[in-house]
Amino acid sequence: DAMVIQNPRYQVTQFGKPVTLSCSQTLNHNVMYWYQQKSSQAPKLLFHYYDKDFNNEADTPDNFQSRRPNTSFCFLDIRSPGLGDAAMYLCATSSSRDGAEQYFGPGTRLTVT
Amino acid sequence: GQSLEQPSEVTAVEGAIVQINCTYQTSGFYGLSWYQQHDGGAPTFLSYNALDGLEETGRFSSFLSRSDSYGYLLLQELQMKDSASYFCAVRDDQGGKLIFGQGTELSVKP
Repeated sequence: DAMVIQNPRYQVTQFGKPVTLSCSQTLNHNVMYWYQQKSSQAPKLLFHYYDKDFNNEADTPDNFQSRRPNTSFCFLDIRSPGLGDAAMYLCATSSSRDGAEQYFGPGTRLTVT
Repeated sequence: GQSLEQPSEVTAVEGAIVQINCTYQTSGFYGLSWYQQHDGGAPTFLSYNALDGLEETGRFSSFLSRSDSYGYLLLQELQMKDSASYFCAVRDDQGGKLIFGQGTELSVKP
């Protein structure tokens, strides 16, 4: 089945220790997104790509970076995680540039100790 | 600023009908999407309205009134498995971004 895969599902890192979350998709979608979702809150867009065109939300902290080496893969790097970065990180894809219908991966729950 | 408002919680019984409203105030508007998210799970797409009117997909329907900056999700013949959070999301520009509301937690009781 075509899908969006995120690894790992659970990640524990130490305060200040860099961490990378990964996302892959077999849907061959042009658009990919990274969201941060904290408990009982709405998903908050961090970045999105249309092909290799990178779009950074104005309020995404500099501590967060992203890479998309090819259509199938996308990475979220957190350079120096703080306690406030503990959250669920969701990757999503869309076949169309309008992004109205997005397919989400299962998420990576990040814990910062 | 951009804002979407939806009720934080709704409770209903199995077999009933429930309507979850969403009002929005955004700088632009191209369409309204609805997503379902079970506890601990990923959001899943339910519907998208770009034009005024009602869209029906099985037990779920979604309505949009652009002039009123308002939409709703209607769930019929409620089942226990419908207990989840429901998010409305506005596409506010021609790009591929969605602005999500805070979500409505639906509890379906026997």
